[in-house]
Amino acid sequence: QSALTQPASVSGSPGQSITISCTGTSRDVGTYDLVSWYQQHPGKAPKLMIYDVSKRPSGVSGRFSGSKSGNTASLTISGLQAEDEADYSCCSYAGSRTWVFGGGTKLTVL
Amino acid sequence: EEQLEESGGGLVQPGGSLKLSCAASGFAFSNYWMSWVRQAPGKGLEWVASIKQDGSEKYYVDSVKGRFTISRDNAKTSMYLQMNSLRAEDTAVYYCARGAERCFDNWGQGTLVTVSS
Repeated sequence: QSALTQPASVSGSPGQSITISCTGTSRDVGTYDLVSWYQQHPGKAPKLMIYDVSKRPSGVSGRFSGSKSGNTASLTISGLQAEDEADYSCCSYAGSRTWVFGGGTKLTVL
Repeated sequence: EEQLEESGGGLVQPGGSLKLSCAASGFAFSNYWMSWVRQAPGKGLEWVASIKQDGSEKYYVDSVKGRFTISRDNAKTSMYLQMNSLRAEDTAVYYCARGAERCFDNWGQGTLVTVSS
């Protein structure tokens, strides 16, 4: 049950696109298409942004997209906006009804 | 409106116990897996435990097995986390979250648990 690996921070200017990576192993990300991404503003609860690798819940902007290749999943945010500045965490099913999260990535909009 | 509200957090001494509650409203609680996820100060999210719709299956992260017990009362649309033998490393904000089959799609605001002497 080791944590998934995410970069500690990423940054981008308004209007640009950024990608956050999430690296796991063949026991989690590499085997299951059950990767989800969460946005968390300071002092707030996490909010689901992407599930099943690339699906968006109702109400989430189309600027958010997800993908996966091998043991690494990615979250891409296009057309960066100031309100996108937040922490982003990935999560993967790890088998036997257990889940593992990444350490979180702080996104700064310059 | 679908809502989850945690309660029961506080300051407890190492080795002590605490019981967290999560009150759900606005959705068919008994139809969903439910989970607890925690976040230590300045750290990432960590899945803690999940419970099936009827309470027949329960799963835990290795670090809390034998110390924490997850339960639910569908008649009261509530979930609980009994935490025993608490350690300093259990200090965190504990979130109640809906789901455990594909993702966690609804979260409460969290309750802070501080384990310190």
